Amino acid sequence: GAVVSQHPSWVICKSGTSVKIECRSLDFQATTMFWYRQFPKQSLMLMATSNEGSKATYEQGVEKDKFLINHASLTLSTLTVTSAHPEDSSFYICSALRGREQYFGPGTRLTVT
Amino acid sequence: LAKTTQPISMDSYEGQEVNITCSHNNIATNDYITWYQQFPSQGPRFIIQGYKTKVTNEVASLFIPADRKSSTLSLPRVSLSDTAVYYCLVGDLTSGTYKYIFGTGTRLKVLA
Repeated sequence: GAVVSQHPSWVICKSGTSVKIECRSLDFQATTMFWYRQFPKQSLMLMATSNEGSKATYEQGVEKDKFLINHASLTLSTLTVTSAHPEDSSFYICSALRGREQYFGPGTRLTVT
Repeated sequence: LAKTTQPISMDSYEGQEVNITCSHNNIATNDYITWYQQFPSQGPRFIIQGYKTKVTNEVASLFIPADRKSSTLSLPRVSLSDTAVYYCLVGDLTSGTYKYIFGTGTRLKVLA
């Protein structure tokens, strides 16, 4: 089956710093990737849709200047959390679309201290 | 706003068949229905996908009635390791961009 990886799997950073999370489709090309955020005991919340070669489409309420998304190639999308604050601590999950199926990465646990 | 509605939680015992129903009244004509399983601190894992009638694979069956306004995921003979959250997903094109909005999911607890 299709494989999507995320790096890092977990990260701890200080308040005010920026963190970059990578999402890679390892064995297929993905023109569309999605970024989700998940808080404990809650469902996944779609943050943005990332399209290769164009600007990401953000969901209502998601600050595009805070969560920078770059989909520079058909196998890589990155999410940068800028000026992170403790309330940004969460589990970030990406997915890549292949045909009708969405393949999810293993997630990245971000803790902001 | 999620396009799907599921029961929040279900309990079952090992060895039983579990059926989880999802409502998607506004499913689009060309939409498929996909079910995912998620364990804590992991990304969702694909279980099964279908368009209509019945689909079966090695882990589950998916039943979709003719009107496609609902679907039922059937897990035969569950074990403790099937304790997880199960999500059904359909596409959402209302904003002009095809995307997937997760609903609450169903938290399945399998008891010994």
